[in-house]
Amino acid sequence: DAGVIQSPRHEVTEMGQEVTLRCKPISGHDYLFWYRQTMMRGLELLIYFNNNVPIDDSGMPEDRFSAKMPNASFSTLKIQPSEPRDSAVYFCASSPRARRTFGAGSRLTVL
Amino acid sequence: AQKITQTQPGMFVQEKEAVTLDCTYDTSDQSYGLFWYKQPSSGEMIFLIYQGSYDEQNATEGRYSLNFQKARKSANLVISASQLGDSAMYFCAMREGLRTGTASKLTFGTGTRLQVTL
Repeated sequence: DAGVIQSPRHEVTEMGQEVTLRCKPISGHDYLFWYRQTMMRGLELLIYFNNNVPIDDSGMPEDRFSAKMPNASFSTLKIQPSEPRDSAVYFCASSPRARRTFGAGSRLTVL
Repeated sequence: AQKITQTQPGMFVQEKEAVTLDCTYDTSDQSYGLFWYKQPSSGEMIFLIYQGSYDEQNATEGRYSLNFQKARKSANLVISASQLGDSAMYFCAMREGLRTGTASKLTFGTGTRLQVTL
């Protein structure tokens, strides 16, 4: 079991550019979560999916953020256009039920 | 109101000693779950231990145990025989609405940074 796989691990981009973060959940897990971690706000849930369907996106900060899950083995979190305040570590997690397994995170720096 | 409160921003413990990391929670649900995660400096989130609200016994996983006091709404993590590799951030988290099956949000506390010293 390879765990939850996220890419890229590190991304540095300029303000205004589009950023796409990718996640491959653990096979068989029907829940997928996107979290953002910053020093100021800690860990925040952005959105989660159940069986590829977005259930709750109330944590998505702005319309600049969008997330998709076209199939059970892939999800993307897109920021367009990116801003410096989007700099954070973005985690993807998946779970069958209670216990979530997190990916290693994608560290985004927007200059 | 904060759902999860971790009042200790930082803790020090000597190697081989036990340490307790505090966590209190706030919920009106009868059915919920409590989690502890470890985040080392490398950044990944590592699941440590889980306690369901209806579990009668405190959860244990190796050197980790959860001191669950339901009436006080506390779920403290106890690490026995601390090791240098235990130095990390520790997050308490709660999942509510287990019975309804509708809510799967995991709400995290602000974390406690544990430093294990020689």
